Amino acid sequence: DVVLTQSPLSLPVTLGQPASISCRSSQGLVYSDGNTYLTWIQQRPGQSPRRLIYKVSNRESGVPDRFSGSGSGTDFTLKISRVEADDIGVYYCMQGTHWPPFTFGQGTKLEIK
Amino acid sequence: EVQLVESGGGLVQPGGSLRLSCEASGFTFSRYWMHWVRQVPGKGLVWVSEIHGDGRNTNYADSVKGRFTISRDNAKNTLYLQMNSLTVEDTGIYFCVRDSAGVDYWGQGTLVTVSS
Repeated sequence: DVVLTQSPLSLPVTLGQPASISCRSSQGLVYSDGNTYLTWIQQRPGQSPRRLIYKVSNRESGVPDRFSGSGSGTDFTLKISRVEADDIGVYYCMQGTHWPPFTFGQGTKLEIK
Repeated sequence: EVQLVESGGGLVQPGGSLRLSCEASGFTFSRYWMHWVRQVPGKGLVWVSEIHGDGRNTNYADSVKGRFTISRDNAKNTLYLQMNSLTVEDTGIYFCVRDSAGVDYWGQGTLVTVSS
């Protein structure tokens, strides 16, 4: 199974400052169709998860452009250019390249300092 | 607007059974793979099972293989998860999730508690 390792697991950030979350995979995530199925998911407190980014760097409709995804191979990053209060919650990466099973990272809890 | 509404959760004793349902609307249900994902409250996300749009191809996490059965009724736009021989480790919120280039839309979840 593919293991996704996120860091940090806890991320205290000052409002207006940038934030970055790393997701490292135990295997390369390029699928046979040439796509890399690495997804970033946000879960605000008390809410269902919500997709932010798909195929590494494609922003979901309605997601602010403060959020961006990058990476390739086994190393991926979610960046928030300027953290807002609305961004608090837990962020997960998920891979859909080597399945079954689909696998998630452990989650990174973003909080405001 | 895409909507996924789960139901069927509840309290069940170890060894018992439950059937979860997920009613979909706002999209052509039969065109999409669908998943069930579990989350113990306050913990991470764990993939449980998936099913192809035509219902003929399914996959399961090793932890539920042989005990859970995923199915769908495209005429009713409904996804199901039949859960048998439940253990305390199956406790959690079960989310119904659509797949489009990876998981995209999530339901609000239904809570399953396995306890004596």
